[in-house]
Amino acid sequence: AQSVAQPEDQVNVAEGNPLTVKCTYSVSGNPYLFWYVQYPNRGLQFLLKYITGDNLVKGSYGFEAEFNKSQTSFHLKKPSALVSDSALYFCAVSRRGGAQKLVFGQGTRLTINP
Amino acid sequence: DAGITQSPRHKVTETGTPVTLRCHQTENHRYMYWYRQDPGHGLRLIHYSYGVKDTDKGEVSDGYSVSRSKTEDFLLTLESATSSQTSVYFCAISAPGTSPDEQYFGPGTRLTVT
Repeated sequence: AQSVAQPEDQVNVAEGNPLTVKCTYSVSGNPYLFWYVQYPNRGLQFLLKYITGDNLVKGSYGFEAEFNKSQTSFHLKKPSALVSDSALYFCAVSRRGGAQKLVFGQGTRLTINP
Repeated sequence: DAGITQSPRHKVTETGTPVTLRCHQTENHRYMYWYRQDPGHGLRLIHYSYGVKDTDKGEVSDGYSVSRSKTEDFLLTLESATSSQTSVYFCAISAPGTSPDEQYFGPGTRLTVT
């Protein structure tokens, strides 16, 4: 069975500092990995995905994520946080092929303090 | 929200009553999904569809049924609502040509079962 863990329910970062939101996964084979963001009272928005190849994936709004196969992790990062980055972030995994049945982590609330 | 609408946006209903939620897309995408979002659980897949009249179960399908008679509409039905089905329900569609498909989410329906 597939599973995703986001070990931190909440992350607080000062504006301008680097941020990291952690994600680890458990899935057989080579998965697809995703990050989504949810702003208040909105649906989720796609940020970035890992397919294969380069372990550092760049996405929307200056975010990037680092895939580490040996540690089964896919941490989300940004070099310099903005107050507008405050939101709920979800890591997700799916198997390759067919319908993309996403399995989500429980979410991490990111708060950027001015 | 990528041509996806959900109706109703909010609903309060009593235990034991049937409820149908509608997802409508204008993108003509093949894949459609229903998720529920609960605190501490992230999003969990209820059912998905890979074409007209083609549907399959997800992770938490008990107590739910779906139908897709047209490409643009995907209906989620709670045959007899229970308090445990109080949740926020999101519909999603897969964007073609972005392998693996990126999912685009609707604005959500907040359902309260009293």
